[in-house]
Amino acid sequence: GAVVSQHPSRVICKSGTSVKIECRSLDFQATTMFWYRQFPKQSLMLMATSNEGSKATYEQGVEKDKFLINHASLTLSTLTVTSAHPEDSSFYICSAPLAGGAQETQYFGPGTRLLVL
Amino acid sequence: SQKIEQNSEALNIQEGKTATLTCNYTNYSPAYLQWYRQDPGRGPVFLLLIRENEKKKRKERLKVTFDTTLKQSLFHITASQPADSATYLCALLNTGGFKTIFGAGTRLFVKA
Repeated sequence: GAVVSQHPSRVICKSGTSVKIECRSLDFQATTMFWYRQFPKQSLMLMATSNEGSKATYEQGVEKDKFLINHASLTLSTLTVTSAHPEDSSFYICSAPLAGGAQETQYFGPGTRLLVL
Repeated sequence: SQKIEQNSEALNIQEGKTATLTCNYTNYSPAYLQWYRQDPGRGPVFLLLIRENEKKKRKERLKVTFDTTLKQSLFHITASQPADSATYLCALLNTGGFKTIFGAGTRLFVKA
């Protein structure tokens, strides 16, 4: 099946710093990628839709200036958590659909565990 | 508001038995319903997709039903194995939209 990677797998940072998370589709091109956040024992919550060549679309309640998304190429999207605070600590997961931008089948990355001290 | 409910209590079953997980939803008319498996500290892995006009679907030891009248899906794992132990997520998607809504998942433990 299609493979999506994320880097880093886990990161610990001090409050106030910025953290960049990379999401790569390794064996297919993805014009669209999705960023989710998951708190312990809770469901995945869609944060934003990353679109190659255009601005990301953010879900209601997600601050676009705090969670910067750049879809630099057909295989790479980055999420930067700016001025991170302890409440931003969470499990961040990206995904990419395989066919034509539809979400019928999503392939998820392994996730990035962020801990802000 | 749209809501997906999965049993928050863990399901414990004996190896070889059939595990049945339930997904109920409200205020939504999905075109597709998906099931994913998620292991601790890992991203979800796609298992099955069933369309609104399909009643049931089977893939190896997995079987899914989709009742749009009851707004419910049942997910069965037959001849369960300890390796099936994981959290199983139900997800809904509508036609033409890109937003997938996930349930919180049900944790399954299969004892040898």
